[in-house]
Amino acid sequence: DQQVKQNSPSLSVQEGRISILNCDYTNSMFDYFLWYKKYPAEGPTFLISISSIKDKNEDGRFTVFLNKSAKHLSLHIVPSQPGDSAVYFCAASDSGGGADGLTFGKGTHLIIQP
Amino acid sequence: ETGVTQSPTHLIKTRGQQVTLRCSSQSGHNTVSWYQQALGQGPQFIFQYYREEENGRGNFPPRFSGLQFPNYSSELNVNALELDDSALYLCASSLATGVYNEQFFGPGTRLTVL
Repeated sequence: DQQVKQNSPSLSVQEGRISILNCDYTNSMFDYFLWYKKYPAEGPTFLISISSIKDKNEDGRFTVFLNKSAKHLSLHIVPSQPGDSAVYFCAASDSGGGADGLTFGKGTHLIIQP
Repeated sequence: ETGVTQSPTHLIKTRGQQVTLRCSSQSGHNTVSWYQQALGQGPQFIFQYYREEENGRGNFPPRFSGLQFPNYSSELNVNALELDDSALYLCASSLATGVYNEQFFGPGTRLTVL
């Protein structure tokens, strides 16, 4: 039973446009959500996070939106750049990231077209 | 600041053998988590070590075991290897501060079981 779902295996966006990556979750105990970016042959790199007490967090070109009632979060990248091409993982925690670790989605491969 | 390192990068084992994977935490971090990432999947939490004690565990059998050393480096041991153990094994370190702790990942060890 997948508790974190990323339903789009891949997404292609033109350079300069907005990239929107979506994530749904089923566990209402999750209280912290994160996005990680992964290049081939490297470990995941933390991008941005959001606590369940907020509905938006912004860091430069990256914004994460959380809709608790819909159990949905999204990552917006504006403007998209070629270096953003990577696999993006949505992750969630129900223990402040402590002893229960992070629960990840399967990832979305973002491809930025020139 | 030294990041998370893992060794070896790749290894090949046969079914029934035992394997030990190693991880050096980022400087100043006292918590290590291990994840298994099968092909086409997101990372799945194996267990976490804090101050040399197992602090939490995911849905993995007892043949997956670990150690954390006084310098906070860690080992993941897998006994009686099965074909399905073939995966990328990721180590992540963090500093437990009582609030959410961002996890920093290493590049991973690619294990192939034949």
